[in-house]
Amino acid sequence: QKEVEQNSGPLSVPEGAIASLNCTYSDRVSQSFFWYRQYSGKSPELIMSIYSNGDKEDGRFTAQLNKASQYVSLLIRDSQPSDSATYLCAVIGSARQLTFGSGTQLTVLP
Amino acid sequence: EAQVTQNPRYLITVTGKKLTVTCSQNMNHEYMSWYRQDPGLGLRQIYYSMNVEVTDKGDVPEGYKVSRKEKRNFPLILESPSPNQTSLYFCASSLFGADRTNYGYTFGSGTRLTVV
Repeated sequence: QKEVEQNSGPLSVPEGAIASLNCTYSDRVSQSFFWYRQYSGKSPELIMSIYSNGDKEDGRFTAQLNKASQYVSLLIRDSQPSDSATYLCAVIGSARQLTFGSGTQLTVLP
Repeated sequence: EAQVTQNPRYLITVTGKKLTVTCSQNMNHEYMSWYRQDPGLGLRQIYYSMNVEVTDKGDVPEGYKVSRKEKRNFPLILESPSPNQTSLYFCASSLFGADRTNYGYTFGSGTRLTVV
């Protein structure tokens, strides 16, 4: 079982819609959770971090964490074509190292 | 500007010719790490360093060396590169809070290495 799993996609949504990205992790003692955005050929860019159960909102982005279900999600409201990228879920677990999922490719259609 | 600087951005080399990819950060971060990214395999950690003179293996350390003599620098060394080390490499650094909470990694721009 992979430590951090994401649906690889591709996920396509129309402009203005809500994009929903999901991630599960296997290490129950994980405490820090991140979402990165990566454009093709570029470096990952941190867009959200979340450390406690519940929702965290930042502009059009909302991260949701449920430690009991070992589940993290990212919602992107009012999706724009510039949001088209690969979204990486990353988790810091018991080994205190950042482990990445394989990423979900999102395309926002104009 | 707070950043992680990697050099070179692109490198083509031949099998067996030693090379070094440099990484420097100006944020006084304790933690630094190297990742490689390959299609279908995602980002995999090569080596990491919790502080000066403290380094440890990640998930794919074979064929690589690192050193951390200064806080700001964390070079990646390929003593005898092979074609299977052709990849996109990223250096990253991070700050830990007083309670050891990690506030997220900052990545360098990447080094695309081709070994022929």
